[in-house]
Amino acid sequence: GAGVSQSPSNKVTEKGKDVELRCDPISGHTALYWYRQSLGQGLEFLIYFQGNSAPDKSGLPSDRFSAERTGGSVSTLTIQRTQQEDSAVYLCASSSPGQGYDTQYFGPGTRLTVL
Amino acid sequence: AQRVTQPEKLLSVFKGAPVELKCNYSYSGSPELFWYVQYSRQRLQLLLRHISRESIKGFTADLNKGETSFHLKKPFAQEEDSAMYYCALRRNQGGKLIFGQGTELSVKP
Repeated sequence: GAGVSQSPSNKVTEKGKDVELRCDPISGHTALYWYRQSLGQGLEFLIYFQGNSAPDKSGLPSDRFSAERTGGSVSTLTIQRTQQEDSAVYLCASSSPGQGYDTQYFGPGTRLTVL
Repeated sequence: AQRVTQPEKLLSVFKGAPVELKCNYSYSGSPELFWYVQYSRQRLQLLLRHISRESIKGFTADLNKGETSFHLKKPFAQEEDSAMYYCALRRNQGGKLIFGQGTELSVKP
């Protein structure tokens, strides 16, 4: 019944530390997406999971970024050795094959601040 | 490369005035185009998609392949339309969305 949820809602970290962001998609949604929303760059695609297929990682900005999706449900986005330019709102979305994947349902986002 | 351009960062109109939010895209294939909206303190949500040719909250958008545009229009703007609007392109079903930079619409009373 609930929509996409993300945790934490806010994260403040120091430069150089690792962070993990979590996304719980809508139950039954086989596609899961991560985007980043920042002032300078707008909304950028990061990574996309579809069922058991290999993820589309083409949007990850550097090898410090990685993501996994366990059991076809929950996903974790990990940023290693955070930099100030990583500060942004990280959005997760999911979609369903039943609707032709047309509608991506977005979570509330995690606001990451790197000091 | 695919790209979506929204030339206006901010569009300010008075209530009852017509509004057009511009969106141009570059893509060599047959794209799928969407408009997403983010109201203040709310989540990003789908407004409409070109394939269904629908009108949502009085908004319409027509895909013009010749001009590679997908402008969002409403004949009479309302204050509750104030929000951030994003045009997005998708290459194939289920794929990632490529967003424009967004246009902030402000409808003044």
